[in-house]
Amino acid sequence: NAGVTQTPKFRILKIGQSMTLQCAQDMNHNYMYWYRQDPGMGLKLIYYSVGAGITDKGEVPNGYNVSRSTTEDFPLRLELAAPSQTSVYFCASSYGVQGNIQYFGAGTRLSVL
Amino acid sequence: GQNIDQPTEMTATEGAIVQINCTYQTSGFNGLFWYQQHAGEAPTFLSYNVLDGLEEKGRFSSFLSRSKGYSYLLLKELQMKDSASYLCAVRDSNYQLIWGAGTKLIIKP
Repeated sequence: NAGVTQTPKFRILKIGQSMTLQCAQDMNHNYMYWYRQDPGMGLKLIYYSVGAGITDKGEVPNGYNVSRSTTEDFPLRLELAAPSQTSVYFCASSYGVQGNIQYFGAGTRLSVL
Repeated sequence: GQNIDQPTEMTATEGAIVQINCTYQTSGFNGLFWYQQHAGEAPTFLSYNVLDGLEEKGRFSSFLSRSKGYSYLLLKELQMKDSASYLCAVRDSNYQLIWGAGTKLIIKP
């Protein structure tokens, strides 16, 4: 079972470049999430989606954009990358909200230099 | 503001028992989760508490006191593979997960 798949696993960007982090899940989950994890900090929610065509901002959305055209895919777009976006990015999905477990992808380690 | 507090690091001995505490102050409460995260890997679900009391799952147990804003994760019969970070997360009134910074558990032989 694939679960939640993220690509790429690693990436180095130059300041001002753009890129898309890919996330796909094969569990037919309605809810999908993007988090960033910085050393010594808890996971921070960037964006989330409650279903195809519906997205909403989380705690730290600035500098990022998302789309949800299908149930399976939830790409995260970084425009004009900045050093502050150096982080580990995790995509997660869950069937519902209340009490439902979030399943995480393996993460994308991004450095902006 | 919303806050989740956990110790940064703990050390324990193989075969022993360790308790990892988590205190929280959040806008509303709709459940508390514990996740395990090995270095360089994704978080994986361990336990969920929404009512006061103890939930036991094999070597792992989790306790919740909503009135005290407190939870702990109890790990018994520690094994070397339990060396990992343990993340406490609370679902707030908006059903968003608020995450603690995690407790790095080091197991020594």
